[in-house]
Order: sequence, then structure tokens, then C-alpha cells
Amino acid sequence: DAGVTQSPTHLIKTRGQQVTLRCSPKSGHDTVSWYQQALGQGPQFIFQYYEEEERQRGNFPDRFSGHQFPNYSSELNVNALLLGDSALYLCASSDRPNEQYFGPGTRLTVT
Amino acid sequence: GQNIDQPTEMTATEGAIVQINCTYQTSGFNGLFWYQQHAGEAPTFLSYNVLDGLEEKGRFSSFLSRSKGYSYLLLKELQMKDSASYLCAVSNDYKLSFGAGTTVTVRA
Repeated sequence: DAGVTQSPTHLIKTRGQQVTLRCSPKSGHDTVSWYQQALGQGPQFIFQYYEEEERQRGNFPDRFSGHQFPNYSSELNVNALLLGDSALYLCASSDRPNEQYFGPGTRLTVT
Repeated sequence: GQNIDQPTEMTATEGAIVQINCTYQTSGFNGLFWYQQHAGEAPTFLSYNVLDGLEEKGRFSSFLSRSKGYSYLLLKELQMKDSASYLCAVSNDYKLSFGAGTTVTVRA
């Protein structure tokens, strides 16, 4: 059984560009959450998807948007990239509140 | 709002015991997670506490007091591979709010 997978592993973008990150949840998990982790900090909640709807959102600007597909996989889109968007982006999947499994993350560098 | 505090760094000797404290003040609470994170890697699940008391799992134990907004993670018989960041996270309806993490360094 594959765990949570994310792609790409690393990404380098220029300020002002747009980026799409992808996540496939653990088999059987229907809830996907996205987190941003800056260097030396704990992960910060971006938003969560369940049944293809955004169910909760953290304190992130509208430049951050997402989508969940019928197979529960998910995308995170970031528009108009800023230098401060450089971080490790983590996807977590779950099917109950006491389970949150994280993927390996995508390291985004904005230059 | 959410406020989750844990020490920034701790150092201990191989074979010793270390206790990482976490205090929290949050607007909602379903349970408390502890994760281990090695540099450049994803957090890996260590424990989940929803009721008060101590949960023991091998060399790792986690304690929760909901009335005090307090938890700790106890690492026994420390090994070099335990050198990592340890994250305390409060769960509220599937949403996790994390502390900044405690970097534990195990010395020989």
C-alpha cells in the first residue's frame, strides 16, 4: 500500500510565476490537507479538501488555491510567486481525526 | 487563535531520557499529535492523545492534561538516530496547528 505521494520533489521558480503541486493520498483516505513549512518553523495549515470541496482554510492569501479530484488526489496552486513562498509544501491525508499521514513534501524555491 | 509553545532546542546523551514539553491555548481541541521530523524530510507520526493520561509505545511515551493545556513527549534510551525535530500539533476537526518544533541533539 503506497503512502502519501507528492510531486515534484523539488521545484525552482521565478518571482511572479505560477506553480502547481500535486498530492495523491494514502489508499482509502478521502481528506487532503496542505501545509507550508518555512525553514526552522512548524508546518502552517493552508487548506483542507473533502469530497472535492474546500472545507477549511488557514490564513493564506487568495493566491493560494486548490482542487480535489474524484479519486481524492489534490493540487495546490500558487499564483504570483513571492520570495517568501519558498518553503517545503506538505500534503497530509486522513480518513479520521486521529490519523494524519504526511507525504515527502515538495521543496519550492522562488528566486 | 492558536498558541502552541515548545522549547527550541534540547541536548541529551545517548542512552539517556529526554522530556519535551508542549503547552497550548487553542480555540478547539480534538486531540494532540507528536511527530518526528528529520531535516529535509516529512513529519512521521509518533503518537496521538485524546484523553488525559500517559500513552506508552516502546521507547516513546506521550502525556496529556487537557485541563492544563499541557502535553509532553518522553524519549527513553536515546539513540543517535533520535536526533531530529519533534513537533507538537493540536488537532481541531482534521486541521493541525503546530508548534515551531524542538530540535533534539543526541551526543555520544
